[in-house]
Amino acid sequence: QVQLVESGGGVVQPGRSLRLSCTASGVTFTRFGMHWVRQAAGKGLEWVAVIWPDGSEKYYGDSVKGRFTISRDNSKNTVYLQMNSLRAEDTAVYYCACQWDGNPRAAVDKWGQGTMVTVSS
Amino acid sequence: EIVLTQSPGTLSLSPGERAALSCRASQSVPNNQLAWFQQKPGQAPRLLIYGASHRVAGIPDRFSGSGSGTDFTLAISRLEPEDFAVYYCQRYGGSPFTFGPGTKVDIK
Repeated sequence: QVQLVESGGGVVQPGRSLRLSCTASGVTFTRFGMHWVRQAAGKGLEWVAVIWPDGSEKYYGDSVKGRFTISRDNSKNTVYLQMNSLRAEDTAVYYCACQWDGNPRAAVDKWGQGTMVTVSS
Repeated sequence: EIVLTQSPGTLSLSPGERAALSCRASQSVPNNQLAWFQQKPGQAPRLLIYGASHRVAGIPDRFSGSGSGTDFTLAISRLEPEDFAVYYCQRYGGSPFTFGPGTKVDIK
């Protein structure tokens, strides 16, 4: 049974950085591609980034490209989202997600509970 | 990049009625890799349909997906009280894994 737990959210000033973590349990993490998806209050879902199981491929949404970096530590069953040069429009709940058997290209069906990021002075 | 458009923005219906939600893509979705999600307030999204028409295990059979190429539909045959929510389509299979803007199904 896959369980995903995000952490690291909080309030940060514009232009500063924050790192989110998502720790997985109940899975062979080294086989799992992992996504980050975000949702601003009252708004729709926005796909942010994906990383392949071995970290060999990483892709980003246009709005975060060049500012956010996805990475993983398979020894800790954890995927990270390093967020730099934060803007007010990055304020959102950030979810990590994956597909039940780890395929990074497949539709995700396992989600964490989300962690809130607020960018404000 | 594939852009997804969903219509209507809001659908006001009564329990027991049928709902039909549309998702249109700006270009053909490769291999019909189109998914539908349901999201209720304060909850993470739940995957309902993948591959345009394949229902996820445990999803009631009143939910069905259809379509191919650029035009896709999520149908809910008879709305139950728990079905009132926001529904998103998403293109997967490659980057970017774009979501549509969503359709809210609310109680009339």
